[in-house]
Amino acid sequence: AQKVTQAQTEISVVEKEDVTLDCVYETRDTTYYLFWYKQPPSGELVFLIRRNSFDEQNEISGRYSWNFQKSTSSFNFTITASQVVDSAVYFCALSEARGQAGTALIFGKGTTLSVSS
Amino acid sequence: GAVVSQHPSWVICKSGTSVKIECRSLDFQATTMFWYRQFPKQSLMLMATSNEGSKATYEQGVEKDKFLINHASLTLSTLTVTSAHPEDSSFYICSWGGHPSRDTQYFGPGTRLTVL
Repeated sequence: AQKVTQAQTEISVVEKEDVTLDCVYETRDTTYYLFWYKQPPSGELVFLIRRNSFDEQNEISGRYSWNFQKSTSSFNFTITASQVVDSAVYFCALSEARGQAGTALIFGKGTTLSVSS
Repeated sequence: GAVVSQHPSWVICKSGTSVKIECRSLDFQATTMFWYRQFPKQSLMLMATSNEGSKATYEQGVEKDKFLINHASLTLSTLTVTSAHPEDSSFYICSWGGHPSRDTQYFGPGTRLTVL
């Protein structure tokens, strides 16, 4: 069965600390996509990254970086030099093909990140 | 890029009433929309798949008579929570189920439902 596990429920850091959010997934599909979304208090999901199963290259975008390791079924997300504005709930998600209905997402339980000044 | 809108953004209603939530795709046609539900401090859970011109399909444990979905056009899907009760209070989010190789899985901004 498709499953996403975010073992860290809450993380608290002080500004400028680096923080890594863990994501482990299970899938029976050979082709799949992984996502990270940020959900601020307003509730609207903010897309951060999409990665397909054939691309294991790590990616860096500003203070954000992602480490995809197929061998361990992990897709971890690191924020470097965290800022108060990074405080939010972060969700890791896995694609689930629904045939002609397209592709839905299976979400992890989310990690609440609190960054204090 | 593609945009998905939802209306209303929040709604408060009395127990026993029905509430309709609209999800519109603003600059693309969507044959399929997905509806998710998020209880406070919990994850998003897929509720149902809305298919244009046909019956919606529901995830296990979701009452189809409780959550009526209508996808009458390629730009509008509606979710009606019938005879709402306090336990239906939740954040409802729609998304377009496009292929993830092309698209970022466009999500609507969500509708916060509070049932008193």
